[in-house]
Amino acid sequence: QKEVEQNSGPLSVPEGAIASLNCTYSDRGSQSFFWYRQYSGKSPELIMFIYSNGDKEDGRFTAQLNKASQYVSLLIRDSQPSDSATYLCAVNTHSGGYQKVTFGTGTKLQVIP
Amino acid sequence: DAGVIQSPRHEVTEMGQEVTLRCKPISGHNSLFWYRQTMMRGLELLIYFNNNVPIDDSGMPEDRFSAKMPNASFSTLKIQPSEPRDSAVYFCASSPRTVKTQYFGPGTRLLVL
Repeated sequence: QKEVEQNSGPLSVPEGAIASLNCTYSDRGSQSFFWYRQYSGKSPELIMFIYSNGDKEDGRFTAQLNKASQYVSLLIRDSQPSDSATYLCAVNTHSGGYQKVTFGTGTKLQVIP
Repeated sequence: DAGVIQSPRHEVTEMGQEVTLRCKPISGHNSLFWYRQTMMRGLELLIYFNNNVPIDDSGMPEDRFSAKMPNASFSTLKIQPSEPRDSAVYFCASSPRTVKTQYFGPGTRLLVL
């Protein structure tokens, strides 16, 4: 089992719809969770992070974390064509006083005008 | 702030040659990460440094790869000898002490012929 799993997609949604991106992780000790957006040919950029169970909202983005189910998701409301990108889930685990970050392989999102 | 700086941005070399990738992290950040990204394997952590000390190099593929961080503002990733399967985009990222988010550089696109 991979440490961080994402559906590779592509996930296609119409403009204005809600896009739902999902991620599961295997290490129950994981403490921090991040969503990065990567446009084609560009570097990943952080869009959201979450540490506690529940929802965290930032503009059109909502991150949801359920540690019991080892599940983290990203919702994008009112999806725009400019949201079309690959979304990477990253999980940060502290071990021996240091951090280890593992990325999923990413979900490609296509927002159709 | 200029962000994470990487050089060169593109590198084309022949099999067997030595390749050196360079990274300047964001000033004040105490952690530095080297990643490799390919279509097949996604974003893989190669090595990370904390306060200039290598912490986890378990992702380094083999002895042909080496990384150094002689001071807080500079790191290198060296491949010697290079092979065609090393062709990928190599990202450097840095992270501040208090918040475990990572800031990525623009990447070096390496092609080994």
